[in-house]
Amino acid sequence: AQSVAQPEDQVNVAEGNPLTVKCTYSVSGNPYLFWYVQYPNRGLQFLLKYITGDNLVKGSYGFEAEFNKSQTSFHLKKPSALVSDSALYFCAVRDGDTGFQKLVFGTGTRLLVSP
Amino acid sequence: EAGVTQSPTHLIKTRGQQATLRCSPISGHTSVYWYQQALGLGLQFLLWYDEGEERNRGNFPPRFSGRQFPNYSSELNVNALELEDSALYLCASSLGQGRTDTQYFGPGTRLTVL
Repeated sequence: AQSVAQPEDQVNVAEGNPLTVKCTYSVSGNPYLFWYVQYPNRGLQFLLKYITGDNLVKGSYGFEAEFNKSQTSFHLKKPSALVSDSALYFCAVRDGDTGFQKLVFGTGTRLLVSP
Repeated sequence: EAGVTQSPTHLIKTRGQQATLRCSPISGHTSVYWYQQALGLGLQFLLWYDEGEERNRGNFPPRFSGRQFPNYSSELNVNALELEDSALYLCASSLGQGRTDTQYFGPGTRLTVL
């Protein structure tokens, strides 16, 4: 069974500084990895995904994520944080070798960017 | 392009009643997924519909059910509501092209059970 761990409940960063939101995964087959962001009282917005190919994936709003197979990680990064980036971030995984489309989500990391 | 839409935005019911939540997928998407986001429990997979058929369900009791209509919209029904069913219910849709699909989420329906 697949699982995702987001070890930090909250990440605090000052505006203009780089940010990293951590994610590690466990899956028996090939991992398909996703990042979503949720603003208060809103649904999830898709940021980026890794299926195959280049380990560095670029997504929306200047975010990127690096797939590291040996460390089973898929950390979300942004070179310069904005106050408007403050939100709840979810990492999700799907087993690429099974026929089932279920996404398994981490518990979420709250990002707070201070002015 | 319109995104995934859900109705109603909020729903208040009492214990034992039934709730019906609706979802319209992005145009061209044939797969619809339902998730429950309860406080402290994260997002839990409920149901997956594709081409009108239920393809899989998560670890939820049978009183959680749904269907997908010929126009690919979907309905989630929760019978015999319990207090712990209070949550944000999120619907997502995808192209139905396989495991590389991206799921796009709607804004959710907040269900409160009193």
